[in-house]
Amino acid sequence: TQLLEQSPQFLSIQEGENLTVYCNSSSVFSSLQWYRQEPGEGPVLLVTVVTGGEVKKLKRLTFQFGDARKDSSLHITAAQPGDTGLYLCAGFYSSNTGKLIFGQGTTLQVKP
Amino acid sequence: EAGVTQFPSHSVIEKGQTVTLRCDPISGHDNLYWYRRVMGKEIKFLLHFVKESKQDESGMPNNRFLAERTGGTYSTLKVQPAELEDSGVYFCASSQGNIQYFGAGTRLSVL
Repeated sequence: TQLLEQSPQFLSIQEGENLTVYCNSSSVFSSLQWYRQEPGEGPVLLVTVVTGGEVKKLKRLTFQFGDARKDSSLHITAAQPGDTGLYLCAGFYSSNTGKLIFGQGTTLQVKP
Repeated sequence: EAGVTQFPSHSVIEKGQTVTLRCDPISGHDNLYWYRRVMGKEIKFLLHFVKESKQDESGMPNNRFLAERTGGTYSTLKVQPAELEDSGVYFCASSQGNIQYFGAGTRLSVL
């Protein structure tokens, strides 16, 4: 059973286009994180969202946590080839656990 | 400051053999985690150490997997005997708070 459904799994776009990646669950998370992973490396944390409805921005990346804390989205504006990589959402069910639940990931390719 | 280091980066073994993976966390991090990504699936939690104690081992697949963290520093994950379905990338992470820092992983291929 996939606890965090991430979509799309693959995305290939042209430089300058916008895109949104979704992460959905039927369960409530105490917090949700977005990671980026490069080939041959481990995931690197981009952002943590904690409050329902929270929006965080990191340059051209906008992260949103759903009001019910069951879903999240990552929006990239004017994608660049340097944005190419694997994006992962992951969440904690409670603040008392270190166990991260991961989505399957979205492989993004931005073509020049 | 050195990040999380994992050895080896790649291991190829035959079914039935034993393999030991090692993780050196960031110095001073009490929390150490093991995760695994099997091809085509999501990264899954295996277990969590706080210092030398196992805090949560709910993700360990079966008793062929043994994780240790003697002295609360580095950790090892031994698979004995290895099966074909154990192939995948094994990640280690460490933290001293809510941010987990991941190593580059060990790619295990069981033939």
